[in-house]
Amino acid sequence: QKEVEQNSGPLSVPEGAIASLNCTYSDRGSQSFFWYRQYSGKSPELIMSIYSNGDKEDGRFTAQLNKASQYVSLLIRDSQPSDSATYLCAVQLLGVFGNEKLTFGTGTRLTIIP
Amino acid sequence: GAGVSQSPSNKVTEKGKDVELRCDPISGHTALYWYRQRLGQGLEFLIYFQGNSAPDKSGLPSDRFSAERTGESVSTLTIQRTQQEDSAVYLCASSLAVRGPLKTQYFGPGTRLLVL
Repeated sequence: QKEVEQNSGPLSVPEGAIASLNCTYSDRGSQSFFWYRQYSGKSPELIMSIYSNGDKEDGRFTAQLNKASQYVSLLIRDSQPSDSATYLCAVQLLGVFGNEKLTFGTGTRLTIIP
Repeated sequence: GAGVSQSPSNKVTEKGKDVELRCDPISGHTALYWYRQRLGQGLEFLIYFQGNSAPDKSGLPSDRFSAERTGESVSTLTIQRTQQEDSAVYLCASSLAVRGPLKTQYFGPGTRLLVL
C-alpha cells in the first residue's frame, strides 16, 4: 500500500464547474496536509494546507480533512483554464531529528476544458 | 523577498561522472530538504538538514549520494559516478523551524539532471 494515494487522472472538468481532487494516506500519525500545484516543467507551488478536521476555504479553493477516514480532498470552484496542472497531495509526519519531510502522492493531472 | 534558488537549472552529464547541485534557501529558514522527482512521479524525500543538528539521510538511495550544508545557508547535493537512473529533477525546499503544525516548505525551481 502506498503511503499517499491519488487518482492519477487525467481529470477533465468544464470551465466554471467544480473540480474535486482526492487523496488518502496510510499513516494515522500524519499531522499536516498540503496541496501543491505543479505546472509542467515547473516546481510545486503551495495551494492549500490543513491540519484540523473539517473544511478550510481560501478563495476558490477548499481543503477538506477527515482524519478518521484518512482522507483529504481539494475542491476548486469556478474552475479556470489556468487551473490546468498536476495537483500533488503531501502529508507531513514528524520524524527523527525533528524531520518533517513531506510524503507525496504521484499527483492528479487536472484539465479544465474551455 | 528572494525565494529558494538552485543551480544549475539544467545539467547534462555522462554516465560515471560526478555532479554537484546547489541550493540557496530562503534567508532565515533553518530547515532544508532535498527531494527527487522522476518523470511522471511524485517527489521522493532524500535528505533533511536542521540548523547544526545531524542531518536525516534516510532517503538517500545509495552511497553515491551525499549532501552538505554550511550552517543555515547553502547546501550542495553531490552524486558520484552518475547512473542513467539518476536522471530526474532535484528539488530543494526550505522552511522555518517553528513549533506547531503546518510548517510550509517552499520549493526552488529545481535542477534537471540528465545522465547520458
